[in-house]
Amino acid sequence: GQQVMQIPQYQHVQEGEDFTTYCNSSTTLSNIQWYKQRPGGHPVFLIQLVKSGEVKKQKRLTFQFGEAKKNSSLHITATQTTDVGTYFCAGDYKLSFGAGTTVTVRA
Amino acid sequence: ETGVTQTPRHLVMGMTNKKSLKCEQHLGHNAMYWYKQSAKKPLELMFVYSLEERVENNSVPSRFSPECPNSSHLFLHLHTLQPEDSALYLCASSQVSSRGLESYNSPLHFGNGTRLTVT
Repeated sequence: GQQVMQIPQYQHVQEGEDFTTYCNSSTTLSNIQWYKQRPGGHPVFLIQLVKSGEVKKQKRLTFQFGEAKKNSSLHITATQTTDVGTYFCAGDYKLSFGAGTTVTVRA
Repeated sequence: ETGVTQTPRHLVMGMTNKKSLKCEQHLGHNAMYWYKQSAKKPLELMFVYSLEERVENNSVPSRFSPECPNSSHLFLHLHTLQPEDSALYLCASSQVSSRGLESYNSPLHFGNGTRLTVT
């Protein structure tokens, strides 16, 4: 079955620094979705990527879908305390979720 | 208001109890999901009701029984649970469209979850 792997599992970031989290699939995806879950909350949809090589930006967040549509990345610039949470990627129809990257920020 | 409402928010039950979790979506979606979220584990898809079919994760024990009477309501019936079943149970909905042999999923809208503790 489809497996979606995310790395790193944990990311400790100094406020103001950049970081990237990666999502890799064992199979080619028709689309990929990213979600954010704040501590104590539920996952909230961020963005969906559909096209090969697609890049989308949301303020300080940049999402990219790989050319082979088997991987994706989320890059956050100038990390803020509001970025704390767990970021999940999910692929395709049955939406297999990765384990997530849990982000903590040092002020 | 997330558009997906789950009740109860918290539930403590003994291993011999029978209880049900309820989920209702007000978004007009045609697919509903149950996920289990345990500490330090990936979101685990338990059941999907979509396009008039039910899909289940074969690793889910039979002590969990879903029911979907219509496209807006979803239940998860619980009986003789184990302490390791303690987790956050999340309901979600989405709009699924079918094009030939492929299906496409709109983003998932999650409810706030039910925090279940089995004692």
